[in-house]
Amino acid sequence: EAQVTQNPRYLITVTGKKLTVTCSQNMNHEYMSWYRQDPGLGLRQIYYSMNVEVTDKGDVPEGYKVSRKEKRNFPLILESPSPNQTSLYFCASSWRGLAGVDTQYFGPGTRLTVL
Amino acid sequence: QKEVEQNSGPLSVPEGAIASLNCTYSDRVSQSFFWYRQYSGKSPELIMSIYSNGDKEDGRFTAQLNKASQYVSLLIRDSQPSDSATYLCAVNPDNDMRFGAGTRLTVKP
Repeated sequence: EAQVTQNPRYLITVTGKKLTVTCSQNMNHEYMSWYRQDPGLGLRQIYYSMNVEVTDKGDVPEGYKVSRKEKRNFPLILESPSPNQTSLYFCASSWRGLAGVDTQYFGPGTRLTVL
Repeated sequence: QKEVEQNSGPLSVPEGAIASLNCTYSDRVSQSFFWYRQYSGKSPELIMSIYSNGDKEDGRFTAQLNKASQYVSLLIRDSQPSDSATYLCAVNPDNDMRFGAGTRLTVKP
């Protein structure tokens, strides 16, 4: 089954404790992306990757890191989480067509609470 | 100024009516336009994609794109209670993706 998986689905942590949210896709997509979703603000892109070893900042990259060492995986790293990073996080992947980024396939989401 | 603007709603329509959702965007170089549906607590899923000016129909859904006016819309005909969700407009201006804040639609039986 074609899918994007994220782990963990729920996480409660404390300020300053490093954490990693994993993302994996089995569709051989080149493009992968991380978003956060907050009430009234919609989905905001944190980082994206157009292929292995190619990453770039989205709208809200501060406080986050990513890596793309393999095509299927795109982990999101919070080196020192703060309460303002409490949010719902989505990973997504897609092909890139002639018109640019194509349909995004989203993971199930990770609800993160930073105390 | 936000790059992708949507009416936040809520938009309420009776069952069987046409629901009209609108979106404007600021970046003229955008090539790809998408409508996603998101049920509460779930991840977004694609409803329609559109790349050229004009209308694109898929079942009860019609997407309309006007690049000159930087405007994209989604019409839902014969609205059903199961269409009640938040609808997200998305635009691909470069290699990034920009989403609107979403319009919450309620279809009343």
